[in-house]
Amino acid sequence: DAGVIQSPRHEVTEMGQEVTLRCKPISGHNSLFWYRQTMMRGLELLIYFNNNVPIDDSGMPEDRFSAKMPNASFSTLKIQPSEPRDSAVYFCASSPGGAGLIPYEQYFGPGTRLTVT
Amino acid sequence: AQKITQTQPGMFVQEKEAVTLDCTYDTSDQSYGLFWYKQPSSGEMIFLIYQGSYDEQNATEGRYSLNFQKARKSANLVISASQLGDSAMYFCAMSSPQGAQKLVFGQGTRLTINP
Repeated sequence: DAGVIQSPRHEVTEMGQEVTLRCKPISGHNSLFWYRQTMMRGLELLIYFNNNVPIDDSGMPEDRFSAKMPNASFSTLKIQPSEPRDSAVYFCASSPGGAGLIPYEQYFGPGTRLTVT
Repeated sequence: AQKITQTQPGMFVQEKEAVTLDCTYDTSDQSYGLFWYKQPSSGEMIFLIYQGSYDEQNATEGRYSLNFQKARKSANLVISASQLGDSAMYFCAMSSPQGAQKLVFGQGTRLTINP
């Protein structure tokens, strides 16, 4: 398996622009997680999906952020409009849940480094 | 509420020495899992080792072992014979029914191995 795939790997955009981050989870995994990592705040869970349904979005910073999972093999995280303080590394992770060899282990993608100028 | 505490923001160790990274956790669940992840400077998150709360023996994976002390609620990572490539950020995390399927992460410890 190719692992969790994220695109783009790097994104530089201007304040006010829309940004869309993409994630393809590992086939067969039923849970998907979006994290944001900054020096100041560390690793924060933004939202997670179980069987394509959003379960907990309490970590989403504000209405400018939205996430979708239209099917089991694809998810997006959108920021509109983007602001400089959104600059961070965004990770997507997937998990086989309790049925995995290691229950609830999360497999991380390589991350998207977002810079908003 | 669940919480992971890593009290060492940074550690410096000489190559070939053993190093212990501290992790304490808080949960009211009886069944839970403890994880350690490594994040090198390249940025990816790499799973290292797992310990289930009902596992009687400490988990080991090569040079990594987890010193699990349930009564103290600690799950320290021990790296034996450290190598320059071990320099990285290390995160402790926990899963539990209370947290649904989420992993709760600590703030991390930055480990630097000196030659």
